[in-house]
Amino acid sequence: EPEVTQTPSHQVTQMGQEVILRCVPISNHLYFYWYRQILGQKVEFLVSFYNNEISEKSEIFDDQFSVERPDGSNFTLKIRSTKLEDSAMYFCASSEAGPSYEQYFGPGTRLTVT
Amino acid sequence: LAKTTQPISMDSYEGQEVNITCSHNNIATNDYITWYQQFPSQGPRFIIQGYKTKVTNEVASLFIPADRKSSTLSLPRVSLSDTAVYYCLVGDDYGGSQGNLIFGKGTKLSVKP
Repeated sequence: EPEVTQTPSHQVTQMGQEVILRCVPISNHLYFYWYRQILGQKVEFLVSFYNNEISEKSEIFDDQFSVERPDGSNFTLKIRSTKLEDSAMYFCASSEAGPSYEQYFGPGTRLTVT
Repeated sequence: LAKTTQPISMDSYEGQEVNITCSHNNIATNDYITWYQQFPSQGPRFIIQGYKTKVTNEVASLFIPADRKSSTLSLPRVSLSDTAVYYCLVGDDYGGSQGNLIFGKGTKLSVKP
């Protein structure tokens, strides 16, 4: 069964540093998403991406965040200057058509900001 | 997006049927009801989706009454591996609304031997 992959599985960075989290969505999917989950809390929507542009973003997705699809397979989330409160599990997801269609989630990247 | 309310936690034993009910009083005409499952340290996984009446797949059944103000996820004969958090979500992406997934706190199901 096709799956979403994410790298790295765990990223440790110092406050103020830039990080890039990488995702490879399922190949025939058209919609891509990033979510985050702070330890012990609920999954929070960050951003959705379709047709090479952001479709929707949440209040969490401020100017420190950006997304990119640099080639035909990768989908990245960049945090320009990390803060302690960015420590969380970041999940990438993709769907064939639209957010209410089944979204396939990756295994996540655990980001630890020290 | 319609707000959902579900129990914070539930306990069950192996082999039992588990029913998790979700309330969504403000569900809109175009909204679908979707359930996701999440194991610790993993991403959510789609279980089932429905609009009305009953939907069944190899994993679960979803019961939706005529007024659609609630829904019940039914897991037949649970095993220890069904211990997870179960999320009920309501939304659509028709008519220009993006309907992105908004997760609540979910129901933490603990299955005991």
